Amino acid sequence: DIQMTQSPSSLSASVGDRVTITCQASQDISNYLNWYQQKPGKAPKLLIYDASNLEAGVPSRFSGSGSGTDFTFTISSLQPEDIATYYCQQYDNLPGFTFGPGTKVDI
Amino acid sequence: EVQLVQSGAEVKKPGESLKISCKVSGYNFASYWIGWVRQMPGKGLEWMGLVFPTNSDTKYRASFQGQVTISADKSISTVYLQWSSLKASDTAMYYCVRHARHDFDFWGQGTLVTVSS
Repeated sequence: DIQMTQSPSSLSASVGDRVTITCQASQDISNYLNWYQQKPGKAPKLLIYDASNLEAGVPSRFSGSGSGTDFTFTISSLQPEDIATYYCQQYDNLPGFTFGPGTKVDI
Repeated sequence: EVQLVQSGAEVKKPGESLKISCKVSGYNFASYWIGWVRQMPGKGLEWMGLVFPTNSDTKYRASFQGQVTISADKSISTVYLQWSSLKASDTAMYYCVRHARHDFDFWGQGTLVTVSS
């Protein structure tokens, strides 16, 4: 199975800060990497698909990059409503879909 | 508007059976795979498996194969997740998700399943 690691596991930043989260796959996954935001008590929400594509309706301060095994998720200017846990997710034919362990973002 | 609306919270005893549902609206139900994601208390997300409503083709993550059954009823645009014999370790929030490309673009609100004696 492909393993996903995320770092950091948590971070605290100030409003307006640039926040970066990394996700690493144990083998090449091309650009099959997506990013989700989960606010407390809510279902996750897709933010970025195929490594760098912004889902419709998602603010442009969110972005993603990378390919192969190393990926980055960035919030260009952190807002109070961005308090959440962020998960990367990869697709592999077997066993299917795997999420990273998550990064909790606080202000 | 695409909506995935799940059935309500359940409290069950170990050994009991359970079937939870996810009713879909706002798009052609037959066109997208629908899957389930588990989130145990205070933990991360685990993809469990999916079903293609057109022909009920199903695929499961290996660790969930034989532990749960995913099914679909095209006539009422509903997908199900069921257990024949619940364990305490099945206690979790379960989300249904629409598969698009290689991601999950729409999520249900979640169904909390609590298994306790």
